[in-house]
Amino acid sequence: KAGVTQTPRYLIKTRGQQVTLSCSPISGHRSVSWYQQTPGQGLQFLFEYFSETQRNKGNFPGRFSGRQFSNSRSEMNVSTLELGDSALYLCASSFLAGDSDTQYFGPGTRLTVL
Amino acid sequence: GESVGLHLPTLSVQEGDNSIINCAYSNSASDYFIWYKQESGKGPQFIIDIRSNMDKRQGQRVTVLLNKTVKHLSLQIAATQPGDSAVYFCAESFSGYSTLTFGKGTMLLVS
Repeated sequence: KAGVTQTPRYLIKTRGQQVTLSCSPISGHRSVSWYQQTPGQGLQFLFEYFSETQRNKGNFPGRFSGRQFSNSRSEMNVSTLELGDSALYLCASSFLAGDSDTQYFGPGTRLTVL
Repeated sequence: GESVGLHLPTLSVQEGDNSIINCAYSNSASDYFIWYKQESGKGPQFIIDIRSNMDKRQGQRVTVLLNKTVKHLSLQIAATQPGDSAVYFCAESFSGYSTLTFGKGTMLLVS
């Protein structure tokens, strides 16, 4: 069974631009969560989607948004990029949501904002 | 490779030794705990999990211990190998809420 895939793997943008990252969960998994990883803050939860609905949201500004499609694939968007948005963005999928089900991570998208 | 963290606690061990990585979790309501391994340039990889109704769980070469009284979690790796070198994270969540809260991570170096 294929794992979680994320595209693109690397991205370079400039301040003020926007970016869209994509995540394909493990086949059959219905929940997708997004995390931001930085050296200073570690791994921080962004949001979680289940059946095309955002179930939970972390403490990030409204510039960060996401969505989930009917096939469970998910995208996250960051608008008006800032230097501090440079990070590894990780997507994780699980079969069930809200039942302490194991989350499996993708390789991440490395975003660099210049 | 890409660094996943600066100034992480580091545990250096010799190949063949047993390693113990510790984690203090924050939420006394948490009832599900996971250990992840992250190698440079990769996403976190699931190692083992434990629920709060257990004190100990064993996997292949790994054991997780849970002490709810002091909110402490540990990961024991037997016969540590060079391939075990990575950053290890503990994560917690609670039933009905799938969001994971991660610890800061520990870098394990095997020589």
